[in-house]
Amino acid sequence: SQQGEEDPQALSIQEGENATMNCSYKTSINNLQWYRQNSGRGLVHLILIRSNEREKHSGRLRVTLDTSKKSSSLLITASRAADTASYFCATTGGGADGLTFGKGTHLIIQP
Amino acid sequence: KAGVTQTPRYLIKTRGQQVTLSCSPISGHRSVSWYQQTPGQGLQFLFEYFSETQRNKGNFPGRFSGRQFSNSRSEMNVSTLELGDSALYLCASSLWLAGGSYNEQFFGPGTRLTVL
Repeated sequence: SQQGEEDPQALSIQEGENATMNCSYKTSINNLQWYRQNSGRGLVHLILIRSNEREKHSGRLRVTLDTSKKSSSLLITASRAADTASYFCATTGGGADGLTFGKGTHLIIQP
Repeated sequence: KAGVTQTPRYLIKTRGQQVTLSCSPISGHRSVSWYQQTPGQGLQFLFEYFSETQRNKGNFPGRFSGRQFSNSRSEMNVSTLELGDSALYLCASSLWLAGGSYNEQFFGPGTRLTVL
């Protein structure tokens, strides 16, 4: 079953703008991860944030986690055409086995 | 370091047949997980193997099974294929993380299975 729900489902922005995607989940977690997928290929790990962390940065990525609201956001700054992909949040813990993925946000960067 | 490899990349089968998919993890990774991705259900966890033992299993029927070999390579098998089994099957490997949580997963390119 899906635990995470990404919002929006699709997002189209101009190159150079910032993109923000949100993820909500239902149960307690050990950590939350964000992955990127290009055109139905394998997933690439972007960043992991643990349940006791509130914010994490990696290059142009910034992730926040609010465990009281059971939500996370992924910010991609200064977007590039190569950022066009689907982005998924995935949680671990809460009694679930494996990673529990959301349905994803499809991000399109217009040149 | 070579990434996770999956074979075959594409497969076409007919209903009722069985299929075996193969996954070779990154060298040194002993945990291998399998996921099914479909447009309707999204990404769903199938099972995870560690040191040749199934450690966790998702909510899939018994037609879906797997195994892991001593070199950490893993196979998954689907018997009596149904049309709804058409999907992208993804394998992921990772370093084992104590405490029952999951660390960064390294995914392979997937095997796209079409059932006719």
